[in-house]
Amino acid sequence: DIQMTQSPSVLSASVGDRVTLNCKASQNINKYLNWYQQKLGEAPKLLIYNTNNLQTGIPSRFSGSGSGTDYTLTISSLQPEDVATYFCFQHNSWPFTFGSGTKLEIK
Amino acid sequence: EVQLVESGEGLVQPGSSMKLSCVASGFTFSNYGMNWIRQAPKKGLEWIALIYYDSSSKYYADSVKGRFTISRDNSKNTLYLEMNSLRSEDTAMYYCARAFDYWGQGVMVTVSS
Repeated sequence: DIQMTQSPSVLSASVGDRVTLNCKASQNINKYLNWYQQKLGEAPKLLIYNTNNLQTGIPSRFSGSGSGTDYTLTISSLQPEDVATYFCFQHNSWPFTFGSGTKLEIK
Repeated sequence: EVQLVESGEGLVQPGSSMKLSCVASGFTFSNYGMNWIRQAPKKGLEWIALIYYDSSSKYYADSVKGRFTISRDNSKNTLYLEMNSLRSEDTAMYYCARAFDYWGQGVMVTVSS
């Protein structure tokens, strides 16, 4: 199985900051990497699919990049409503796997 | 608007069975692969089952293989998850998801004596 490792596990930043979340796969996942946002008590929401494609309706301050085994989610200017846990997810090969999440907090 | 509404939540004893349903609307259900994903309390996400749009292929996580069965009825726009031999570690919120994009709000399954 492909292991997905996210870092950091908790990130505290100020409103307006540029924030970068990391996700590392245990093997090449050919950019089949999605990012999800989960707010407390809600279902996960797709933000980015296949590394760098912004899902419809998602603010442009969210962007994704990466290749091979290393991927990042960037929030260009952190907003209060971005407080959530962010999960990466590989769908390159079965069984598909999620990272353990990065909890994003506001300082 | 894409909507996925799960049902069938509840509390069951270890070793028992349970069936979840997910009714889809707002898109052509028969065109999409569908998935079940679960999240144990205060834990991460686990992808557990996938079914192709035409039921031609099904895939399962090792943790549920042989105990859970994913199925669908395209005439009813409904996805199912039949769960047998339930264990305490199956306690989780269960979500259905269209491909990898839209998710339902989830149903809670609790396995406890």
